[in-house]
Amino acid sequence: DIVLTQSPDSLAVSLGERATINCKSSQNVLESSNNRSYLTWYQHKPGQPPKLLIYWASTRESGVPDRFSGSGSGTDFTLTISSLQAADVAVYYCHQYYVAPRTFGQGTKVEIK
Amino acid sequence: QVQLMQSGPEVKNPGSSVKVSCKTSGGTFSTYTVSWVRQAPGQGLEWMGEIIPVFRTPKYAQRFQGRVTITADESTSTAYMELSSLRSEDTALYYCARMDAFWSGYSDWGQGTLVTVSS
Repeated sequence: DIVLTQSPDSLAVSLGERATINCKSSQNVLESSNNRSYLTWYQHKPGQPPKLLIYWASTRESGVPDRFSGSGSGTDFTLTISSLQAADVAVYYCHQYYVAPRTFGQGTKVEIK
Repeated sequence: QVQLMQSGPEVKNPGSSVKVSCKTSGGTFSTYTVSWVRQAPGQGLEWMGEIIPVFRTPKYAQRFQGRVTITADESTSTAYMELSSLRSEDTALYYCARMDAFWSGYSDWGQGTLVTVSS
């Protein structure tokens, strides 16, 4: 199975500052035929289902604020929140769907400092 | 507007089975991937399995193999997840989620179904 390791497990960032979350895959998740990495990022708040933020590693889902961005390819990925807002307090997960079983990272909890 | 509506909360005895439904409305059903993801208390998200209704052949996470059955009824646009031999560790919030044919992530989620396993 592909193991996704997120770092850090948690981070506290001041309002308006940058938050960066890393996700490392134990195997490549890049489909060479279309140059897409099948890696997504989700935001999960208590009492709500997860919300899709980023797919194909770097494509922002419709309606997601542009302060959220994704980068990376192959095995190393990053989610960046350029200017943290109070509404961004949540747990963030990376997820690979390149091969089954699809797997999630362990999650990164983002809080306000 | 696509909606995934899941069945209500369940309380089950250890050793029994539970079947959770996920009805899709407002969108294509047959060619989209429907997956099941769970979250145990204090834990992260865990992928359990998936099905593309038109192909009918599900895929499962190894750790649930033999205990989980995922099916889909195209006539009612409803997917099902049945988990057997329940134990206390299966107490969790179970979500269904849908991915389109372009594989652009789980854009639609059900509201979650709480399954509690307790004697």
